[in-house]
Amino acid sequence: DSGVTQTPKHLITATGQRVTLRCSPRSGDLSVYWYQQSLDQGLQFLIQYYNGEERAKGNILERFSAQQFPDLHSELNLSSLELGDSALYFCASSAGGESHVLYWSFGAGTRLSVL
Amino acid sequence: AQKITQTQPGMFVQEKEAVTLDCTYDTSDPSYGLFWYKQPSSGEMIFLIYQGSYDQQNATEGRYSLNFQKARKSANLVISASQLGDSAMYFCAMREDYNAGNMLTFGGGTRLMVKP
Repeated sequence: DSGVTQTPKHLITATGQRVTLRCSPRSGDLSVYWYQQSLDQGLQFLIQYYNGEERAKGNILERFSAQQFPDLHSELNLSSLELGDSALYFCASSAGGESHVLYWSFGAGTRLSVL
Repeated sequence: AQKITQTQPGMFVQEKEAVTLDCTYDTSDPSYGLFWYKQPSSGEMIFLIYQGSYDQQNATEGRYSLNFQKARKSANLVISASQLGDSAMYFCAMREDYNAGNMLTFGGGTRLMVKP
């Protein structure tokens, strides 16, 4: 058990809809990272939060947004969903937010299917 | 340009034999870390092994070893004595310490299939 909890495990929705994915980091970890794994794009970094603040941004679409709350859980909001947004969304956490991170704990992922 | 390249989309290996999964990387950052993860069919990402750019010796973790050739920018994963449970996707990933923040950049993965 990685200690990272992602909910829901599966999500099926329609194009144009909005969904929220939730992540609780491992106890004590301050950083949360979101990744998207799709068949055509592979594993891509979306965004990182450290102790409530956005720390780094990757290939995250404008239709997607995220935040980290005071209790350190994070939510990834996906809106105006398209078929191509169907993917496995991972959350990972690490103790720090600076360089030389040696270990990330990954959640089990949320599988999003857009029909 | 791809930062992490895994040139073997799929590989077969006989049970109990050793197998090498290739990974080459591209970075101008003097400080970086290289990681291998295993993703079984259930989907979770399992950390296997880590190599820092300044580490003098190749990393080893049980049956896993990392063949780090810095000048060639390669970080191949060697799995000794393959087991049926090793059948999974394997991802090479890199952390760049100064150029690109703290996230991991992943390669496209190699699907390893262990034959009984």
